[in-house]
Amino acid sequence: EDKVVQSPLSLVVHEGDTVTLNCSYEVTNFRSLLWYKQEKKAPTFLFMLTSSGIEKKSGRLSSILDKKELFSILNITATQTGDSAVYLCAVVVGGSQGNLIFGKGTKLSVKP
Amino acid sequence: NAGVTQTPKFQVLKTGQSMTLQCAQDMNHEYMSWYRQDPGMGLRLIHYSVGAGITDQGEVPNGYNVSRSTTEDFPLRLLSAAPSQTSVYFCASNRGRGQPQHFGDGTRLSIL
Repeated sequence: EDKVVQSPLSLVVHEGDTVTLNCSYEVTNFRSLLWYKQEKKAPTFLFMLTSSGIEKKSGRLSSILDKKELFSILNITATQTGDSAVYLCAVVVGGSQGNLIFGKGTKLSVKP
Repeated sequence: NAGVTQTPKFQVLKTGQSMTLQCAQDMNHEYMSWYRQDPGMGLRLIHYSVGAGITDQGEVPNGYNVSRSTTEDFPLRLLSAAPSQTSVYFCASNRGRGQPQHFGDGTRLSIL
């Protein structure tokens, strides 16, 4: 059975801290891995990773994929209260749709 | 720039009632999906469509029907509501297989 596991499930940090969120997966026919940020409503897309070792970066956020060890990390440096959210990892698996298998998410709380 | 629009935002039903959750996208995306999000369970795929007239089941399809008569619309029907269907429902669309999904703001559904 395909599965995606995120850790930790929740995390509390202070502004300015650096955090690392983890996502490991066991799936058949891996295509890509996606990170989303979910605040109060819709998940919003952050990164799509398809190749090992190539870092994707957007401002203070960065992510990298290791296809040999089957995991990805999402780093957030100099955290701000606006980074408080649930971060979702999803793996795209093969098939007609390229369906997404989601992890349960990491709830990040950034305190002032 | 509406993106993915879901209606209603909130709904309360009685057990046994039927209803339709509406989803429309204006990005001309071929692929559309319905998810439910429950505490501690992450996002789970209910049904998806890879184009007008084509639908298929996801991970948790029981109790739900879908149809896709146009590219823009992908309604989700609850046939006979049950308390286990209390959840937040998200509709998503994407340009093609494996591409990042764009989510609507969700419908919070409570079944008494």
